[in-house]
Amino acid sequence: DGGITQSPKYLFRKEGQNVTLSCEQNLNHDAMYWYRQDPGQGLRLIYYSQIVNDFQKGDIAEGYSVSREKKESFPLTVTSAQKNPTAFYLCASSLNRGYTEAFFGQGTRLTVV
Amino acid sequence: EDKVVQSPLSLVVHEGDTVTLNCSYEVTNFRSLLWYKQEKKAPTFLFMLTSSGIEKKSGRLSSILDKKELFSILNITATQTGDSAVYLCAVVSNFGNEKLTFGTGTRLTIIP
Repeated sequence: DGGITQSPKYLFRKEGQNVTLSCEQNLNHDAMYWYRQDPGQGLRLIYYSQIVNDFQKGDIAEGYSVSREKKESFPLTVTSAQKNPTAFYLCASSLNRGYTEAFFGQGTRLTVV
Repeated sequence: EDKVVQSPLSLVVHEGDTVTLNCSYEVTNFRSLLWYKQEKKAPTFLFMLTSSGIEKKSGRLSSILDKKELFSILNITATQTGDSAVYLCAVVSNFGNEKLTFGTGTRLTIIP
C-alpha cells in the first residue's frame, strides 16, 4: 500500500540526548515536511524539502536538523539544543506542484524524561 | 513570514447546529488553500481551494475561498457528534519551492 510511515509512534528521551525520528514515503512525492504540534495548538513548520539533498528551515528550526539523502526518506533529529522537545511530531509529503494535497504519517509522540 | 490565522480557536455547539469556521492568510505567492480534519493523530484531507468564489462541497461540509480578501470559510450543516475534531487550514505558497503553512486550528465540540 502507498503511504507515509513514521516511526516510532512513541519515543522517550533523556535530557541532553539527541534522537532521530523516521519518516518514509512510497508515494513518489517530491516534497516532504516536518511539523511540531503542542497540546491545543496547530501545526508549526520545522523543516521542509522539495528535492533530494536540499531542504529549508521552517518557522521553528532551532534545535532540529534534517537530511534528504533519498527521495523516500526525510529523518528529523531532535538535538539537545532544543529546549522544549516534548511534543507530537508529524511528517507530511506532497507532489510539490502547489495544487495537490499533503498526506500525513500517524505521528511520533516524543517525551523527554 | 507567512501567516495563517483561524477563528474561533474553540467552538461548542449542539448537534444539528450549523457552524462556520474561518481562515485568513498572508503569504507570498499563494498557490492553494487546504482544509483538514484532525481527530486523533494524522490530519485527514477535506478540501483544496485554488479559485475564488467556487464552492467545494462534500456531504454536509462545504468551503469557499476569497482571494481578494484573503480568507476561506468551512461550513458544516446539521452537525453530528462525529464532527467533533480540530479543523486545520493550511496554505501552499511559493513557486518551485512550495511551503505548506498551517493555522492554529479550530477545536469543534458537538454536544449530543
